[in-house]
Amino acid sequence: NAGVTQTPKFQVLKTGQSMTLQCAQDMNHEYMSWYRQDPGMGLRLIHYSVGAGITDQGEVPNGYNVSRSTTEDFPLRLLSAAPSQTSVYFCASSYSDPADYGYTFGSGTRLTVV
Amino acid sequence: GEDVEQSLFLSVREGDSSVINCTYTDSSSTYLYWYKQEPGAGLQLLTYIFSNMDMKQDQRLTVLLNKKDKHLSLRIADTQTGDSAIYFCASEGTYKYIFGTGTRLKVLA
Repeated sequence: NAGVTQTPKFQVLKTGQSMTLQCAQDMNHEYMSWYRQDPGMGLRLIHYSVGAGITDQGEVPNGYNVSRSTTEDFPLRLLSAAPSQTSVYFCASSYSDPADYGYTFGSGTRLTVV
Repeated sequence: GEDVEQSLFLSVREGDSSVINCTYTDSSSTYLYWYKQEPGAGLQLLTYIFSNMDMKQDQRLTVLLNKKDKHLSLRIADTQTGDSAIYFCASEGTYKYIFGTGTRLKVLA
């Protein structure tokens, strides 16, 4: 099993550009989330999904969109990149509520916005 | 609001025990978790403890939970250089799940 696969691993964007970070899991997990990791701030939840067709906002959703058309995929879209979005982005999935099952994480996407 | 706090750095000598501490505010968590992040990698679930337990031991890892003080600790016995990583505790929160800031453990040879 591949687990949680994130692409790309690294990306540099210019301010105002848009892009999509891809996340796919092959474990038939219902719950998927996107986090950003910034120095000294731990991980902050951007958006999450409890199943196909259902998404909701996390702690820091502004500037990001998500959709969940299939169980396997949960892409994160940056509509107009800003330097404040420079961060490491992690996708994570869980069989059900991660508070009960814990998360499986992808290896991350390091994004720099210049 | 909910918060999970950890100290940022810990340095120990190889072979010594490491104790990483965490305090949390949400007392409704069913489970509390420890994750390990190695350089350039995502977080890996290390261990967890059920909220009605005081202690859980898993090989070199011991998790202690003090519910009254909302304090969680992770003890690593016989710490090795391969244990150098960032360790995150996590508990339930408004957004389903919240992480501490992470403790960077450095193991000195």
